[in-house]
Amino acid sequence: SQTIHQWPATLVQPVGSPLSLECTVEGTSNPNLYWYRQAAGRGLQLLFYSVGIGQISSEVPQNLSASRPQDRQFILSSKKLLLSDSGFYLCAWSSRGWTGGGIGAFFGQGTRLTVV
Amino acid sequence: AQSVTQLGSHVSVSEGALVLLRCNYSSSVPPYLFWYVQYPNQGLQLLLKYTTGATLVKGINGFEAEFKKSETSFHLTKPSAHMSDAAEYFCAVSMIKAAGNKLTFGGGTRVLVKP
Repeated sequence: SQTIHQWPATLVQPVGSPLSLECTVEGTSNPNLYWYRQAAGRGLQLLFYSVGIGQISSEVPQNLSASRPQDRQFILSSKKLLLSDSGFYLCAWSSRGWTGGGIGAFFGQGTRLTVV
Repeated sequence: AQSVTQLGSHVSVSEGALVLLRCNYSSSVPPYLFWYVQYPNQGLQLLLKYTTGATLVKGINGFEAEFKKSETSFHLTKPSAHMSDAAEYFCAVSMIKAAGNKLTFGGGTRVLVKP
């Protein structure tokens, strides 16, 4: 079966510090990968998605970047965190191809980031 | 571009009462439709989905949803609420053959269940 791991679960970082959140998927190959952010009291905002190694699409301009160094690894980074980067970050995966769109996405447990 | 609207950011129901969460989408063609549930400080769990075929779909935990093309709606229901249903619920759509199979989410509805 497929599993998705996301870490750390919680993180408190000072303003201006770097960030690295990691997500890995097991039990599948060639997945689509996603980073979402959920700010307090708000819905889910898609930040980045990737359809393959080294292929990153950004959905919103921001202080963050994403990388996919391996097929099942997705990393969210920042060189200098802002207060506005606080939120709940969720990694997700879905199957490739148009049939994968009908299966939906599967989410990790999330990382609660507080920038202080 | 598609969009999803969930009516009511908060819903309060009594234990044993009907749960009804509303979702309307805006799309030029019928999309894939999903409902997810999120418990505090956890990821999202898929409740149910509509892709094609029967418009009434059943999911986990006794939930079901009906796709109504004429109303561009996909409302979620459960006949009898349990305390364990207290969570936030998200409706989402994915366009067929969309790049990356991206999901677009509604704003979410937080459900409170009163004893």
